[in-house]
This record gives sequence, structure tokens and C-alpha cells, in this order.
Amino acid sequence: EVQLVESGGGLVQPGGSLKLSCAASGSTFSGSGVHWVRQASGKGLEWVGHIRSKANSYATEYTASVKGRFSISRDDSKNMAYLQMNSLKTEDTAVYYCTLPGLSGSYDYWGQGTLVTVSS
Amino acid sequence: DIVMTQSPLFLPVTSGEPASISCRSSQSLLHSNGYNHLDWYLQKPGQSPQLLISLGSNRASGVPDRFSGSGSGTDFTLKISRVEAEDVGVYYCMQLLQSPRAFGQGTKLEIK
Repeated sequence: EVQLVESGGGLVQPGGSLKLSCAASGSTFSGSGVHWVRQASGKGLEWVGHIRSKANSYATEYTASVKGRFSISRDDSKNMAYLQMNSLKTEDTAVYYCTLPGLSGSYDYWGQGTLVTVSS
Repeated sequence: DIVMTQSPLFLPVTSGEPASISCRSSQSLLHSNGYNHLDWYLQKPGQSPQLLISLGSNRASGVPDRFSGSGSGTDFTLKISRVEAEDVGVYYCMQLLQSPRAFGQGTKLEIK
């Protein structure tokens, strides 16, 4: 059973930066992509981006609203994934989840989420 | 980008009665592999989302058989044969055919 634990959330001023971490247990991490999904308070789910596995050249993709500001990376030796968020805006305020897709691509595993608040 | 539209957005249901949620995509989600790349997730109050149905109609491990997914192309349906109290929460469809992945707006199911 895979477990995911996000950390690194907190309060940051507009224009600031924050780096979220996602720690994964289980042996399937290195062969899996890692996705980030966010949810503003009282709102729906929004896909942020993902990073593919080493076999897929660690390719990344992002939703348009964060492209150029957010960056996803991973360290397979530590079973860790990261979401570097720069030039943060108030509209980036949300709970950020990391997810691991299974073989079908569906999100079999979710973390508990970490809250990012962008406010002056 | 593919846009996902759910209806209804609010669904009050009497316990023991059936429920149905519709999800439509702006483009066909039928892959050349024959599978529809459409998932259903449930987010119970205060919890992270959980996978209910993958690839249109495959129940995830541990999901009760009162949940079923159907549809193809652009029109999909999640059905609950008999709603139970533990089914309350927000249901989301999500397309995973292409990036960016996209969720529907969510359907909030409540017990009358």
C-alpha cells in the first residue's frame, strides 16, 4: 500500500516562493508519474501538473495558469517529489495534493494535502 | 483543452433510493485502446478524494458494487443503486485522456 505525505505549506506573501514536498512509501514510486492537484477553499479540484518517470525522461507538464511559475521535480532515491512555486498569487491559495497514478493512469493514491495561503 | 461538465451540481437523495450523476466532455474520451479515459472520484467531508471508478466503468478496489459507471465518448453516468449515509460528499468526474487533465465542477450529494 502506497502512502503519500505532503509538507511545506504555509503563509506566503504575494510574489513569494514556496516549495512543497511529497514523501511516498512503497516500491512503486520510481516507476510512477507524480501529479499535483489543488483545491481552493469550498471549490472544486484543479489539476496543477505532473512529472513522468525516469523511463519517460522525467517530462513535466503544467496547467496554463501556473506555467512558468511552478516547477515539479523528483528524487527517486528518496521517494520524494517536489512542487516549487514562484511568483505566487492570491489565487494560488489552496490545499495542494500529490497523487500517484496506477497502471491505468487513474489516481489510486492521494496524500492528505498541505495548505498554501498567499496573502499580505 | 477538454472541458468537463457535470449535472446536477447538487443532489439531495433519500437514503435507500438510487442516484445518478451525469458528466459530459467537450471531446471524445474514447482512446484507441478501446477504453474511455474517464474516472469518478468521491471526496467525503474533510477527506482527500478517493478513486471510485476508473476508465469509465471499472470499480476501484474496495468500492461497493452499488456504484457503477457507464457511458462512452462524451457522455458518462455514475449511478448509485441505493444511497447510503456514507455516500455523502462531492463526486467529480475527471478526464485523463490528455494534458491538462480536467475535473468536472463536482456534484454534492446529500441525504434528505
